[in-house]
Amino acid sequence: DAGITQSPRYKITETGRQVTLMCHQTWSHSYMFWYRQDLGHGLRLIYYSAAADITDKGEVPDGYVVSRSKTENFPLTLESATRSQTSVYFCASSELGQGSHGYTFGSGTRLTVV
Amino acid sequence: GNSVTQMEGPVTLSEEAFLTINCTYTATGYPSLFWYVQYPGEGLQLLLKATKADDKGSNKGFEATYRKETTSFHLEKGSVQVSDSAVYFCALSPMNTGFQKLVFGTGTRLLVSP
Repeated sequence: DAGITQSPRYKITETGRQVTLMCHQTWSHSYMFWYRQDLGHGLRLIYYSAAADITDKGEVPDGYVVSRSKTENFPLTLESATRSQTSVYFCASSELGQGSHGYTFGSGTRLTVV
Repeated sequence: GNSVTQMEGPVTLSEEAFLTINCTYTATGYPSLFWYVQYPGEGLQLLLKATKADDKGSNKGFEATYRKETTSFHLEKGSVQVSDSAVYFCALSPMNTGFQKLVFGTGTRLLVSP
């Protein structure tokens, strides 16, 4: 199926565990993004990537790691999960040089850290 | 810097009422402006956009006009439906050419009752 897919949709993990959220897009968009959404904070950018093997920090990168070995995948890893990382995580993608076109978002992963 | 300010919600309306959600922005240059909608349990979807001053974006009965003189991009709909209940995000892309990260407002929740 064409589009941007995130997995899993829901995840419960324990404090201190490592967890990876997956994001896959089928358009070969150059840019990919990870956001977290929390009440009172709106959307906050965690990391983004301009191309395979090129990543950069957003507003709230601490505690997260990303990689982009292939254009279509952009996994987000919480190295040692904390309760403050309980959130809804959204992946998005965008075409290169198309700032006027906006982003396309996945359906989100709801992560609960207990 | 670049920023987007939206009215706080929730906005509560009865079906068929007129809707306005205010959005103002601060940006250098000539940004593109967007409205995204997030239905319960889903990711953000692009609702409409405008790329230059005085442009009007429209989709699904929603409209917004890019007002450079007032740095505003208010979202309007003449007659809301229960199915319009969602969170609405205003966003800007700082430049029309080349890639720039989107800057989001904090979102405004709309609740429409029958």
